[in-house]
Amino acid sequence: QQQVKQSPQSLIVQKGGISIINCAYENTAFDYFPWYQQFPGKGPALLIAIRPDVSEKKEGRFTISFNKSAKQFSLHIMDSQPGDSATYFCAASRRGGSEKLVFGKGTKLTVNP
Amino acid sequence: GAGVSQSPRYKVAKRGQDVALRCDPISGHVSLFWYQQALGQGPEFLTYFQNEAQLDKSGLPSDRFFAERPEGSVSTLKIQRTQQEDSAVYLCASSSRQGWYEKLFFGSGTQLSVL
Repeated sequence: QQQVKQSPQSLIVQKGGISIINCAYENTAFDYFPWYQQFPGKGPALLIAIRPDVSEKKEGRFTISFNKSAKQFSLHIMDSQPGDSATYFCAASRRGGSEKLVFGKGTKLTVNP
Repeated sequence: GAGVSQSPRYKVAKRGQDVALRCDPISGHVSLFWYQQALGQGPEFLTYFQNEAQLDKSGLPSDRFFAERPEGSVSTLKIQRTQQEDSAVYLCASSSRQGWYEKLFFGSGTQLSVL
C-alpha cells in the first residue's frame, strides 16, 4: 500500500523555468509534509516543509502548495537552475515528523542550461 | 559541525554472510532512524530509536535484520545471512526539534551489494 504517490517520475525543465512536482496522500492523520532533495551519492536533505493548517509556504525559490480537502501537495521551483538538478522526494508523517516518514518514489529533475 | 556519519561507505557481501552497518548521529540527538533505499526508489522506514530504546521496528523486513543503540548514541544495523534482495543503500538519520517539527538529518548511507 503506497501511502504517498508522487508524480511525475522525471522532469526536464529549461533554465529559468518553473518545475512542478505533485504528491497525494491517503492517511488523514499525517500532519507534517516535507520535501527532500537528494544528489547522487548523498543522503536526502530537507528542503522545505508544511503543516496542514497552512495552504502555502515559500522559502526563496521553493514553494509548497497544500490542498487539505484534496489530500494533495506540490513543490514549485521558480527560476530553476542547473544546480537544482537532483531527485526530489515528498514525504509525510504524523506528530510533526516525530514518527516515521513515508516517502514518495521520487522525481528526477533535470534543468538544462 | 559534523553531520551524521555512516560506515562503511560501501560494503560487498557474499550471499549468506553477516554484515554490520554503523551510524554515528549528530551529538546530542535523541532520535535515530534507519531507512532502506532501493535503487530508483524513495527511502523506506526500517526502525526508530529514542535514546537507547527501540520504539518502532515495524519496518524491519525479516528477523534477519537487527538494530541496536546500546548507549543511546552510535547505532548498528546488523543483517544476518544476507540475500540478494538486501542490496540497497541503508540510510541513517538523527533528528532535532525545530519549533513545530522534527528535522531529520541524513547520513550519506552505506551501499550494500550482495553477490
